[in-house]
Amino acid sequence: RKEVEQDPGPFNVPEGATVAFNCTYSNSASQSFFWYRQDCRKEPKLLMSVYSSGNEDGRFTAQLNRASQYISLLIRDSKLSDSATYLCVVNIAGNQFYFGTGTSLTVIP
Amino acid sequence: DTEVTQTPKHLVMGMTNKKSLKCEQHMGHRAMYWYKQKAKKPPELMFVYSYEKLSINESVPSRFSPECPNSSLLNLHLHALQPEDSALYLCASSHYTSYEQYFGPGTRLTVT
Repeated sequence: RKEVEQDPGPFNVPEGATVAFNCTYSNSASQSFFWYRQDCRKEPKLLMSVYSSGNEDGRFTAQLNRASQYISLLIRDSKLSDSATYLCVVNIAGNQFYFGTGTSLTVIP
Repeated sequence: DTEVTQTPKHLVMGMTNKKSLKCEQHMGHRAMYWYKQKAKKPPELMFVYSYEKLSINESVPSRFSPECPNSSLLNLHLHALQPEDSALYLCASSHYTSYEQYFGPGTRLTVT
């Protein structure tokens, strides 16, 4: 069983739509959770850390559900510039990180 | 400043060559990482250095040899690589308390 499972998509949504991505993780001892964005042929860039209480940054909202072992990312009012691959990352302990396979998002005009 | 730099940006090498990839950060992070990424796949962890000591080696072949000369620098020495080692090699660093990783732009390696 993979440590982190993520729906690869692709998600094709019109501008202005709301889109949600989920990731499930298998290790209940997982400690820290993150969403990264990766553009084609570029490095992953930290989008947001995910906290137990949930957190919001503008149009982006991240949630953590420890009981069900999943994290989510909600993007409201999608922009063309949101087109990218979104990676969920889970930190188990120390410096051990596990990446989801990434979800591809294309926002269509 | 959340910048991690990597050199070179691109590298083409033959299977008998020896080359090195370099990574630098000045954020005071004490954990540094090497990842390998193939097209349309997520990054795969190769090595982790913690306080300049190798703490994780994900069963990487010995033709890849990491080195951490000081807390700001990380090298990856390459020798006798195979064509299947062609990939994007990413360096990252993180602070010990937040574990937020910051990635460099990567070195795109082609082995011929």
